[in-house]
Amino acid sequence: DQQVKQNSPSLSVQEGRISILNCDYTNSMFDYFLWYKKYPAEGPTFLISISSIKDKNEDGRFTVFLNKSAKHLSLHIVPSQPGDSAVYFCAAIGRNQAGTALIFGKGTTLSVSS
Amino acid sequence: AAGVIQSPRHLIKEKRETATLKCYPIPRHDTVYWYQQGPGQDPQFLISFYEKMQSDKGSIPDRFSAQQFSDYHSELNMSSLELGDSALYFCASSLSARDRQFFGPGTRLTVL
Repeated sequence: DQQVKQNSPSLSVQEGRISILNCDYTNSMFDYFLWYKKYPAEGPTFLISISSIKDKNEDGRFTVFLNKSAKHLSLHIVPSQPGDSAVYFCAAIGRNQAGTALIFGKGTTLSVSS
Repeated sequence: AAGVIQSPRHLIKEKRETATLKCYPIPRHDTVYWYQQGPGQDPQFLISFYEKMQSDKGSIPDRFSAQQFSDYHSELNMSSLELGDSALYFCASSLSARDRQFFGPGTRLTVL
């Protein structure tokens, strides 16, 4: 059973507009969440993270929002740029059967057109 | 800045052969993780090491084993390879457990 869910496999956005990528989780033991970006033939690159004691974390064009009651987080990219086109993985860490390993969602492919 | 190094980047093996993948973590990182990503799938955690000791175990098959050496590099040994083992294998390292993980470029293993 998928503990981290990214229900949108793909998202298309125009350059300069906002990209919103969503992620839901089921395990209430998760307390640290991360977003990774992945280009083909490369390893995932860390983007931004948020601890469960916060509801928002911002880093430049990237902002992550966490709604613990809804077990939902989202990544906002403003403004979107063509170089942002990649697969975005949501990941969570918590004391579960995999210990401190990252539990990934299946990813959302973002395409930003110019 | 130094990144996680994995070798080889590509590996082709036949069924029932063995393979060894290597990972060199970022200097001063004491925790190493191995993940497997099949085609169109999310990365799945295999195993991790902290200070040269196995710290967590995920969905690693019994045919696979791994270890972390005194210089903190890690090796993933895979025996009796099966077609289904064809995947991208990522190594990641972190300063400590539960810290953000930095990923290497991956090793693409193809089993024929």
